[in-house]
Amino acid sequence: DVQLVESGGGLIPPGGSLRLSCAASEITVSDNYMSWVRQAPGKGLEWVSSLYSGGRTYYADSVKGRFTISRDNSNNTVFLEMNSLRVDDTAVYYCARIVTRSVVTWYFDLWGRGTLVTVSS
Amino acid sequence: QSVLTQPPSVSGAPGQRVTISCTGNSSNIGGGYDVHWYKQLPQTAPKLLIYGNINRPSGVPDRFSGSKAGTSASLAITGLRAEDEADYYCQSYDSDLIGWVFGGGTKLTVL
Repeated sequence: DVQLVESGGGLIPPGGSLRLSCAASEITVSDNYMSWVRQAPGKGLEWVSSLYSGGRTYYADSVKGRFTISRDNSNNTVFLEMNSLRVDDTAVYYCARIVTRSVVTWYFDLWGRGTLVTVSS
Repeated sequence: QSVLTQPPSVSGAPGQRVTISCTGNSSNIGGGYDVHWYKQLPQTAPKLLIYGNINRPSGVPDRFSGSKAGTSASLAITGLRAEDEADYYCQSYDSDLIGWVFGGGTKLTVL
C-alpha cells in the first residue's frame, strides 16, 4: 500500500531539538513534493515546510530559521529537524505529499497518521 | 488567525443540505489559486475531499461538491448522513506568503 509513516515525536523541553522522520512506501520521495503540516491540540491545520523534488525548500514564517526539511533518498525518508523548540510548536506533525496539476493547483493527496510533539518543561 | 476564513461550525439534520464557505484574498483564492477541501475525523489524519475547486477523488460520493467564485469558495454536502459529522478544512496557495494556507476549519454537526 502507498503510505507515509511518521516517527520521532515525543516530549521535549523548550529550547530543545528533535528530528522527525517520514518513511514512504510505494512512492519515491525524491520524485515527489513532500511536506510537513502540523495541528496543535484542538486547533486547525498549519503548513510547516515543503521539499520539492528538485531540492528547493520552503518554510512557514513561524518556523523559518529553526526547522530544516531534508530527505534521504537511499532510505526513501523525509526528515524535519526542529531546533529552538517553543511551547507553541506543540502539535501533531503530519507528513504529506503535494500534488500539482498546474501552476495554480497544489494540494495534499497523501497523509501519514502523524506524530505528536509536546514541548513542555 | 488563519489566512482563509471558515465558519467555526455548521449543522443540519439528516437528509438536509449544508454549505461551508471559505474566504480568502487576492494573494490566494482571488489570485487564481485553486481551493481544495479535506475532511478530518477525530484523532485521524485529514482526507482529501475535493481538489481543484470542483473535483472529487475516487471514492468520494457525489453528495459532496465544491465551487469557487472570486475570493471565496464553498463546499456543499447534500443528503446529510451521520458519518458526515467531522471537521472540514479548505486549503489554497498564497503567493505573498509563498506557502500553502488552510482555513481554520468548520465543525459539521449532524443533528
